Amino acid sequence: DAGVIQSPRHEVTEMGQEVTLRCKPISGHNSLFWYRQTMMRGLELLIYFNNNVPIDDSGMPEDRFSAKMPNASFSTLKIQPSEPRDSAVYFCASIPAGGPGELFFGEGSRLTVL
Amino acid sequence: KQEVTQIPAALSVPEGENLVLNCSFTDSAIYNLQWFRQDPGKGLTSLLLIQSSQREQTSGRLNASLDKSSGRSTLYIAASQPGDSATYLCAVRPSGGSNYKLTFGKGTLLTVNP
Repeated sequence: DAGVIQSPRHEVTEMGQEVTLRCKPISGHNSLFWYRQTMMRGLELLIYFNNNVPIDDSGMPEDRFSAKMPNASFSTLKIQPSEPRDSAVYFCASIPAGGPGELFFGEGSRLTVL
Repeated sequence: KQEVTQIPAALSVPEGENLVLNCSFTDSAIYNLQWFRQDPGKGLTSLLLIQSSQREQTSGRLNASLDKSSGRSTLYIAASQPGDSATYLCAVRPSGGSNYKLTFGKGTLLTVNP
């Protein structure tokens, strides 16, 4: 199993540019999460999808952030326009349908906004 | 609101030593508790998951225990190796509504010296 796959691994962009982060969850996983990790705030839940439907987006910082899950094997997190304070590592994670609810993380996308 | 604390924040031990990492949580209404390790620049790797009805789980040199009533979990690492050096995080999943919202500790940075 390839695990949760995220791209890009690193992104450096300038303030005001659009950023799109991508995630492919593990096959058979029906719950998908986007987290953001910073030194100051640790891991923060941004949005949670179940069966491709957004269930809780209360963690999305503001309207500049949006996320989609058009099918069971793909999700995107978009920031438009990006700001320096968005610099962080963004993780995608998924949970298999059924089972004890073990969470599996991708390797993350490190975003730097100049 | 659930709070998860990991003490100490950092720990340095010589190779071969047995060690214990601590995780405490304030709300005992949990569904499960999961231990992760995170290497620098990498995602979180799941180590062990303990259901609320379980007292402990073992995987190789790792043993995790759970005492729900006292709000504590420990991760025991036997015969530590330099390759065990990483940040170890615990995360608690609540029971009941919004049980997808894990609360993470800030982690313990472990260094095993050869």
